[in-house]
Amino acid sequence: GAVVSQHPSWVICKSGTSVKIECRSLDFQATTMFWYRQFPKQSLMLMATSNEGSKATYEQGVEKDKFLINHASLTLSTLTVTSAHPEDSSFYICSARARGLAGEETQYFGPGTRLLVL
Amino acid sequence: QKEVEQNSGPLSVPEGAIASLNCTYSDRGSQSFFWYRQYSGKSPELIMSIYSNGDKEDGRFTAQLNKASQYVSLLIRDSQPSDSATYLCAAFRYNFNKFYFGSGTKLNVKP
Repeated sequence: GAVVSQHPSWVICKSGTSVKIECRSLDFQATTMFWYRQFPKQSLMLMATSNEGSKATYEQGVEKDKFLINHASLTLSTLTVTSAHPEDSSFYICSARARGLAGEETQYFGPGTRLLVL
Repeated sequence: QKEVEQNSGPLSVPEGAIASLNCTYSDRGSQSFFWYRQYSGKSPELIMSIYSNGDKEDGRFTAQLNKASQYVSLLIRDSQPSDSATYLCAAFRYNFNKFYFGSGTKLNVKP
């Protein structure tokens, strides 16, 4: 299957700082990438849909000024958590939408980034 | 009503048995369906995708889709302890550009 990478895999930061997470599709072009957040023992929560060359679409309740998303190329989307606070500590996972040879749509996940805000 | 519903489990099966995981979806416009496996502390990993009615087999895994009943299932034959994980069912609606996930079913395979 297609490969999606995320960097960094772990980040620890002080409260009030900003953290940038990168998501890359390594062997395919992704016009759409998704950003999820998952708290321990809870379900995946979709934060936003990132479309190449246009503004991201945020889910209800997700602050777009706090979670800045940029999808500058067909292989890279970034999520910046601005002025991070301890309650932002979570597992952030990106995914990329891929289309197969027969036109079928699939979603592949990156390995995730674990954020701890002190 | 959630777009995709799954029983949270846990579903416990003995090693070597068949594990049967089920999922229903509410949006008849959904076109593609997926099963992901998520180990604790890891991101989801795609196991199976299915796009048309019927069965699709891949190794020990068989996905089944019934669009009339809006029902998707995953069978795992010869279950192994390494299959113990949370299994997420997902549906994709092309014109909404959105994947809908169930909350996952936790599977325990006992040695």
